[in-house]
Parts: sequence; C-alpha cells; structure tokens
Amino acid sequence: GAVVSQHPSWVICKSGTSVKIECRSLDFQATTMFWYRQFPKQSLMLMATSNEGSKATYEQGVEKDKFLINHASLTLSTLTVTSAHPEDSSFYICSARSPPRTYSYEQYFGPGTRLTVT
Amino acid sequence: AQTVTQSQPEMSVQEAETVTLSCTYDTSESDYYLFWYKQPPSRQMILVIRQEAYKQQNATENRFSVNFQKAAKSFSLKISDSQLGDAAMYFCAYRPYTGANSKLTFGKGITLSVRP
Repeated sequence: GAVVSQHPSWVICKSGTSVKIECRSLDFQATTMFWYRQFPKQSLMLMATSNEGSKATYEQGVEKDKFLINHASLTLSTLTVTSAHPEDSSFYICSARSPPRTYSYEQYFGPGTRLTVT
Repeated sequence: AQTVTQSQPEMSVQEAETVTLSCTYDTSESDYYLFWYKQPPSRQMILVIRQEAYKQQNATENRFSVNFQKAAKSFSLKISDSQLGDAAMYFCAYRPYTGANSKLTFGKGITLSVRP
C-alpha cells in the first residue's frame, strides 16, 4: 500500500517558538492532504484540508494564523505551529489522498508527530 | 451534517473469541464510503475494512467482516478469532462518495482489549 511519512516523529519546543512538521507521500502523488489533531484516548479532529498549490481550508475554530499549512508539491505538505504554547501540545497526524480513480481514491495516514511545548 | 456514533467507549474480548463493535451514522447522501480504522498503541492509523454504500454485499477482510445495514444506517465490525494484536482503538468513519475535498467523519472510537 501507499506510504505517508511524517517528520519529526517527536518534538519538544519552548513556549513562543515555532515548529514545522513535514508530511510526505512517498510513492504516490497526493492532490489532497489533511491535518488532524488528536488528544489521548480521543478521536481525530480535522484541522484543515489542503490541495497542492492552493490555500488550505481550515475547519471552524482552527486558527489559521497559528497553524500554517503549505502544500507546495504533490508529495509534500507542512504544518507550522507558530508561537507555540503548552496548550498546543498534542499528537498531529497528516493524511494524504491520491486523485480520484487512482489508488482506489484512498486516504493514507502518516505515523503522527507528538508535539510537546514546555 | 454527517455524524458517526460509537456508543461503547470500551469492550473486552477473550483471545480466540468473536467480538462485534457497533457504529451508527447519519447522512442524507445515498452514495458514500464507510470505514473501520484501527489505531494500536503506536498510534499509526490502519485501514481495517472499507464498504461502499452502493454495494449490498458486506465487506470482509480475513478475520474482519462488517454488517452493513443501509436502511438502519448501521455499520458494525465483527472480529473473529480475536488475537492479542487486535487490542487497539477502533474508529468508525464515513466519507461522502463525491467531492474532491470530501472529508472523513470519525466516531469517538472504542478501545478494544483482548484477554489472553
């Protein structure tokens, strides 16, 4: 099956700094990528949807100025948490989807990134 | 808006036994996908099984099968011959059939433990 990677898998940063998380589709072109946030023992909460070359569409309640998403190519999307605070500590998961009628139009998930803000 | 409901937060099953995880959903669409995802302690989301709403036949994948009742909007997952490696959080999810940006809607999840 298709593989989605995330880097880093775990990051600790100080309050007030910014951190970037990369999401790559390794063996397919992802026209659409999704970013989720997950708290322990809870479900995935969609933060935003991005299409290659377009601005991301953010879900209601998600601060677009704090969570900057860039989908610069068909294999790479980045999430930058700006001016991070302890309440931004969470598990962030990206997901990539190939175009319709390819790879069964399936959505594949990265392994996640654990962000801790001190 | 579509909703997915998993009303049981936790379940437990004896190794080698069968367990059924429940899921109901609400939608006004006629064409859509339904999924069960597994999230083990590693937290990597793994697709367990997928069902297209237009297909009347229930999907099966080895020890995993679903009972899809479209009229009742019910989509349960049956795990046969449960193994220790099946212990995980399981999420039921819905996605509309059409739309380039069609999004997955997840249920709250159920934590499955397997007793040796």
